Amino acid sequence: GAVVSQHPSRVICKSGTSVKIECRSLDFQATTMFWYRQFPKKSLMLMATSNEGSKATYEQGVEKDKFLINHASLTLSTLTVTSAHPEDSSFYICSARATAGLSGYTFGSGTRLTVV
Amino acid sequence: KQEVTQIPAALSVPEGENLVLNCSFTDSAIYNLQWFRQDPGKGLTSLLLIQSSQREQTSGRLNASLDKSSGRSTLYIAASQPGDSATYLCAVLYNFNKFYFGSGTKLNVKP
Repeated sequence: GAVVSQHPSRVICKSGTSVKIECRSLDFQATTMFWYRQFPKKSLMLMATSNEGSKATYEQGVEKDKFLINHASLTLSTLTVTSAHPEDSSFYICSARATAGLSGYTFGSGTRLTVV
Repeated sequence: KQEVTQIPAALSVPEGENLVLNCSFTDSAIYNLQWFRQDPGKGLTSLLLIQSSQREQTSGRLNASLDKSSGRSTLYIAASQPGDSATYLCAVLYNFNKFYFGSGTKLNVKP
């Protein structure tokens, strides 16, 4: 089946530094990938839709300059948290659509970001 | 505005019990509804996917139902086991490619 690999699974960084999270589709090509953020005891919230070869589409309220998304190939999307602050600490999950239809979504295993 | 609500937020049951998790959504124009399992600190594992034209889906001890007109879905777990302990998320997909997630039901099955 379709597998999405997300790396790293956990990362701790200092305030002011940048952190890059990778999302790879291992056995399929994904023209579209999605980045979600999950706050403790809250539901997942879509941050942005990543489109291969073009700019990402950000949801309302998400800072484009803080959360940089690059989808340079059909199997890789990256999310870079720039100038990280403690309030950016969260669980980030990516998702990719494996087929042309709307039912083929696969989620990554998530990245726990802690900014100290 | 699309909203997804899950009740209860937490549930603790003894092993062997049958249980029902509830999910409600405000906009009935869904494309599909999906139930996920999330273990602590982990990503999402898809359990069952129900298309908008379907009424239910079954996989092993799991059965999910969908009533679009009333904006409700239930996840039925038969003969619960300690290994079923996890957070269960309901997610609704509309035709613009965006999942709306509930905040989950944290299930604890006691041995």
